Amino acid sequence: QSALTQPASVSGSPGQSITISCTGTSSDVGGYNNVSWYQQHPGKAPKLMISGVSNRPSGVSNRFSGSKSGNTASLTISGLQAEDEADYYCSSYTNNTSVIFGGGTKLTVL
Amino acid sequence: QVHLQQSGPGLVKPSQTLSLTCGISGDSVSSNSTAWNWIRQSPSRGLEWLGRTYYRSKWYNDYAVSVKSRVTINPETSKNQFSLQLNSVTPEDTAVYYCARDPLGGNWFDPWGQGTLVTVSS
Repeated sequence: QSALTQPASVSGSPGQSITISCTGTSSDVGGYNNVSWYQQHPGKAPKLMISGVSNRPSGVSNRFSGSKSGNTASLTISGLQAEDEADYYCSSYTNNTSVIFGGGTKLTVL
Repeated sequence: QVHLQQSGPGLVKPSQTLSLTCGISGDSVSSNSTAWNWIRQSPSRGLEWLGRTYYRSKWYNDYAVSVKSRVTINPETSKNQFSLQLNSVTPEDTAVYYCARDPLGGNWFDPWGQGTLVTVSS
């Protein structure tokens, strides 16, 4: 099963909003509300930012939000801050009882 | 607060077995609502889910198709931990390996272990 498709990189200035897309198929993203998003800083383990398409875990800033339309999920970060610069990964449950990840998006805060 | 602590060797010879352990504090490996996962990350393969073990009145496992013939994930209830074994490793199995908790069986992961770089080399 191929990885979910994410843009390799996005960038934005402090205070701006950016959106990262995550495209799959009806067998994964489109078929289940089990999309999650992770933030990873260099040398660190990934950190859960969004679960179940749009649920924000306790402790995660409300500047992070998630959504889904059809086979594409999105992560939006509003009011960009320097600390948001990191790699972001989406993941989804699939119809063969496994989990698949996106290839990752590098966010640069200009 | 749940914490996962990984242990195991960082160097494995080709054709041998990679073995890692993930110790759990703040939760139980036998929880009826949680799944315990192994995930790896490499520059060539990105993040790759390997499999999980979970207890729902009995023990279950799910494995990724890519490693299904070589992987075993086992709970160790007396030590409140779970393990990963990957047989017949090759240099392509070189990666950072993470354990991770899926708290409600919703197929998301929180928290993750600290990661273990495993290099397959003679």
